[in-house]
Amino acid sequence: AQSVTQLGSHVSVSEGALVLLRCNYSSSVPPYLFWYVQYPNQGLQLLLKYTSAATLVKGINGFEAEFKKSETSFHLTKPSAHMSDAAEYFCAVSANFGNEKLTFGTGTRLTIIP
Amino acid sequence: GAVVSQHPSWVICKSGTSVKIECRSLDFQATTMFWYRQFPKQSLMLMATSNEGSKATYEQGVEKDKFLINHASLTLSTLTVTSAHPEDSSFYICSAREGVAVRVGTQYFGPGTRLTVL
Repeated sequence: AQSVTQLGSHVSVSEGALVLLRCNYSSSVPPYLFWYVQYPNQGLQLLLKYTSAATLVKGINGFEAEFKKSETSFHLTKPSAHMSDAAEYFCAVSANFGNEKLTFGTGTRLTIIP
Repeated sequence: GAVVSQHPSWVICKSGTSVKIECRSLDFQATTMFWYRQFPKQSLMLMATSNEGSKATYEQGVEKDKFLINHASLTLSTLTVTSAHPEDSSFYICSAREGVAVRVGTQYFGPGTRLTVL
């Protein structure tokens, strides 16, 4: 079974500051990990995914995440926050590509302070 | 590419009626589609997985007779909420998994359908 825990349901950062959204996973098999972003009243957009290749994954909109097996973590970062980054962010895990059931974390709402 | 649409985006219905929500993959063939439910300010909960041409697989606790899923083609899946009640009010989101090997493993999400049952 797989699960993810997102630490912090709300995160506020100043515009231009570092964004760090935390995600820890639990998986009985090597996991595939994803970060999605959701804007109000919209579906989810894939930011990036880890699929057992490079541990540092670069995604869209300047986001990146690093897979750390020893820490069972997959934290999302962005060096400089923009106002447009304000949204809900979900970390998700799946067991493998053959069975694409995604298990989502509870989400982190990112607020950008002007 | 990889666009998924949902229709309608918003629907209000009376208690006891049925509502059909469509999920379409516009520019790729989706061998597998997923239906999620999202309550306000909460995460997505997988309801069911549907494969084209076969019966949907429902998650534990999801009533298959209440939430009818039909994946009739490689580009269309439908979710019908039968005899809807106010507690069925929610945001329903579908996703589609592309079958092309080079991008296997990525789900593309639709924009969601907000259902309000009066």
